Amino acid sequence: RKEVEQDPGPFNVPEGATVAFNCTYSNSASQSFFWYRQDCRKEPKLLMSVYSSGNEDGRFTAQLNRASQYISLLIRDSKLSDSATYLCVVRGTGRRALTFGSGTRLQVQP
Amino acid sequence: NAGVTQTPKFRVLKTGQSMTLLCAQDMNHEYMYWYRQDPGMGLRLIHYSVGEGTTAKGEVPDGYNVSRLKKQNFLLGLESAAPSQTSVYFCASSTLGGQFGYTFGSGTRLTVV
Repeated sequence: RKEVEQDPGPFNVPEGATVAFNCTYSNSASQSFFWYRQDCRKEPKLLMSVYSSGNEDGRFTAQLNRASQYISLLIRDSKLSDSATYLCVVRGTGRRALTFGSGTRLQVQP
Repeated sequence: NAGVTQTPKFRVLKTGQSMTLLCAQDMNHEYMYWYRQDPGMGLRLIHYSVGEGTTAKGEVPDGYNVSRLKKQNFLLGLESAAPSQTSVYFCASSTLGGQFGYTFGSGTRLTVV
């Protein structure tokens, strides 16, 4: 079983739609959680950290459910520029590196 | 502020050739990492370093070697390239083992024929 699992998609949504991605992780001792965005043929870039209480950054909302070991990302009012692959990322206790999911591809259509 | 710089950006190797990928960071980060990214596989950790002069194996270290002689540089070597090493290689650096996320370089696209 992969340590971090994501639905690969693609998710095809119209502009203005709300879309949600989920991710599950297997290590219950994981401590830090992130969403990264990766554009085609580019490096991953940090979108936002994910906190236990949930957090919001503009149109983006991230949630963490430790009991069920899943992380979610909600994007409201989707823009064409949101088209990218979204990577779920986890850091386990005592681990010195991050573990990346395979990513969920989002395509926002006009 | 350059952040993390990787060289080269593209390379084509013949099977059995060797090469070194260079990663340089100017953020005074202690931790540096090498990942490879393949379609459907996500990023997989090859080797990492927690400080100058130290290196450690990641998830997929076979066929690669690394060195961290200076804090700002982390080198990834392929001694005898194989087609299975065709991939996109990303270097990253961080403070505190990635507790606050990574900064990535722009990647090296390597093709082994």
